[in-house]
Amino acid sequence: DTGVSQDPRHKITKRGQNVTFRCDPISEHNRLYWYRQTLGQGPEFLTYFQNEAQLEKSRLLSDRFSAERPKGSFSTLEIQRTEQGDSAMYLCASSFTYGEQFFGPGTRLTVL
Amino acid sequence: KNEVEQSPQNLTAQEGEFITINCSYSVGISALHWLQQHPGGGIVSLFMLSSGKKKHGRLIATINIQEKHSSLHITASHPRDSAVYICAVSPNTGNQFYFGTGTSLTVIP
Repeated sequence: DTGVSQDPRHKITKRGQNVTFRCDPISEHNRLYWYRQTLGQGPEFLTYFQNEAQLEKSRLLSDRFSAERPKGSFSTLEIQRTEQGDSAMYLCASSFTYGEQFFGPGTRLTVL
Repeated sequence: KNEVEQSPQNLTAQEGEFITINCSYSVGISALHWLQQHPGGGIVSLFMLSSGKKKHGRLIATINIQEKHSSLHITASHPRDSAVYICAVSPNTGNQFYFGTGTSLTVIP
């Protein structure tokens, strides 16, 4: 396993469409995190999983956002009815419990 | 209100200079992280520390828990060090990270 991977790397969509991103963590890691980063800002926490359980969600995560990690391995982040304000880099990271986080390359979303 | 503040926001240095980036935080933490982000978005974890000092090559990170302050030092800076350096903390309560806005470093040959 060479690290955290994310797919797609770039996504351009029209406002109102749904998008789904995938994150494949380092296989031994039990924690998986989703972050969002807008231009010129540091990342903002969205949610995290301990194995398949979603343990914490930021208030930034509106009802249009949903994340799953069905088998405790890969995770998906879905955004429904995208808005222009959703344009950002979506970052995934994984770690052992309380361990150092390893980040994926990110998915850059552009909503037209 | 930002739980994590970094300074400076932007920094330009000549190759070979000693560089310091500062991070202050306002919450109780279990660990502080220094991250490096290159253009294109990829983030690499440089250090995770909860006390004292860590060194890796030309990079040194220190933390003072009582003062809620950390510094990242780069000795003998090189143009390939040009990147955004982000400070993040793991609070004692909850599991989310709080991130600083980053320090954009440019090292000129």
